[in-house]
Amino acid sequence: GAGVSQSPRYKVAKRGQDVALRCDPISGHVSLFWYQQALGQGPEFLTYFQNEAQLDKSGLPSDRFFAERPEGSVSTLKIQRTQQEDSAVYLCASSPSLDRDKYFGPGTRLTVT
Amino acid sequence: AQSVTQLGSHVSVSEGALVLLRCNYSSSVPPYLFWYVQYPNQGLQLLLKYTSAATLVKGINGFEAEFKKSETSFHLTKPSAHMSDAAEYFCAVSDRGNQFYFGTGTSLTVIP
Repeated sequence: GAGVSQSPRYKVAKRGQDVALRCDPISGHVSLFWYQQALGQGPEFLTYFQNEAQLDKSGLPSDRFFAERPEGSVSTLKIQRTQQEDSAVYLCASSPSLDRDKYFGPGTRLTVT
Repeated sequence: AQSVTQLGSHVSVSEGALVLLRCNYSSSVPPYLFWYVQYPNQGLQLLLKYTSAATLVKGINGFEAEFKKSETSFHLTKPSAHMSDAAEYFCAVSDRGNQFYFGTGTSLTVIP
């Protein structure tokens, strides 16, 4: 079946622009996670949803970052007034439940110029 | 708090040689431990995981890892490297909640 998909795969934004990154999880997966992977680093946790509820957003680096999953399926990570330090690959993962294996999408590479 | 240290950001092995990628963890609770592989421009793929059952865990593509509590280690091994094993490998620890803590990754190069 289809895996986790993310769009766009690549995004170039000028500093100060707003961006929206989309994640389509595997159908029926309750849990959804966003990670930020800076160049040469491991992924770092941003936020976690269970269905439409955002249960943990402790990893969001600033109030410019906002995530939503209004119908408990597709999720959008929005970054307002992008800064150069926001340049990274943003990974989405989904799982059938919190204690089950995570399935990762291919990521969105964001470059802020 | 949980954390992971991967020793060696780059490892090179000859095709057919033993692969050993090192991972040490720190955890205040009995951890779950994972190894993921990442090919260029792709997401992370789970290789294997330890969730407090057998300490020797076998994964996909011939990889295995052994949980050693006394050494706080979870090193990844494969007896014979194949060209297709060239990729980035990440070790991760979980407190069994929603958060994963990844290491900084080890890039594996396989020399023909």
